[in-house]
Amino acid sequence: DVKVTQSSRYLVKRTGEKVFLECVQDMDHENMFWYRQDPGLGLRLIYFSYDVKMKEKGDIPEGYSVSREKKERFSLILESASTNQTSMYLCASSFGASDRGFYNEQFFGPGTRLTVL
Amino acid sequence: AQSVAQPEDQVNVAEGNPLTVKCTYSVSGNPYLFWYVQYPNRGLQFLLKYITGDNLVKGSYGFEAEFNKSQTSFHLKKPSALVSDSALYFCAVRGGKSTFGDGTTLTVKP
Repeated sequence: DVKVTQSSRYLVKRTGEKVFLECVQDMDHENMFWYRQDPGLGLRLIYFSYDVKMKEKGDIPEGYSVSREKKERFSLILESASTNQTSMYLCASSFGASDRGFYNEQFFGPGTRLTVL
Repeated sequence: AQSVAQPEDQVNVAEGNPLTVKCTYSVSGNPYLFWYVQYPNRGLQFLLKYITGDNLVKGSYGFEAEFNKSQTSFHLKKPSALVSDSALYFCAVRGGKSTFGDGTTLTVKP
């Protein structure tokens, strides 16, 4: 079974802190994703990576950055956390191949519920 | 640009009755379509997908979905609902950089 793990289930940080959210997948997937989930807004893509050291902005990249130094690990960084970044953060991965995996399902981690005070 | 609409925020059904969760899409090119389920405080789990071929797709936990190209729809169905099916359901278009709908909360009452 594919396993996607996230470093924390719950996290509480203060405004202005630098926050790191880590995600690891064990299935050699090319694609990795970071989403935030807010009630009534569904899933919004923050960043997407289709290969090591490659990244693309999603729909809401402002205030976030990412790092992918190894194929299995994709980190989301909040450079200076703000209260409007309080949310559920979901990491996912999928097989990519040459077409970036248009027909491949995503496998999700359990999520990190981040509260910024 | 691609988009997905789930017109119902909430669907309520009685246990044992059939259920339908609606999804319509807009995409240029091939409409690869997916359904995911999310149980409380969990990540999303893949249910089924349509890539090509038979318009009726069968997936996990007895769910199926019907692809209708002329109506640009991909509705999720189950012949007999269970209380344990109560969850949040998401429709998505395209793998890779997917676009997700806003989700539909399904409540199955005993």
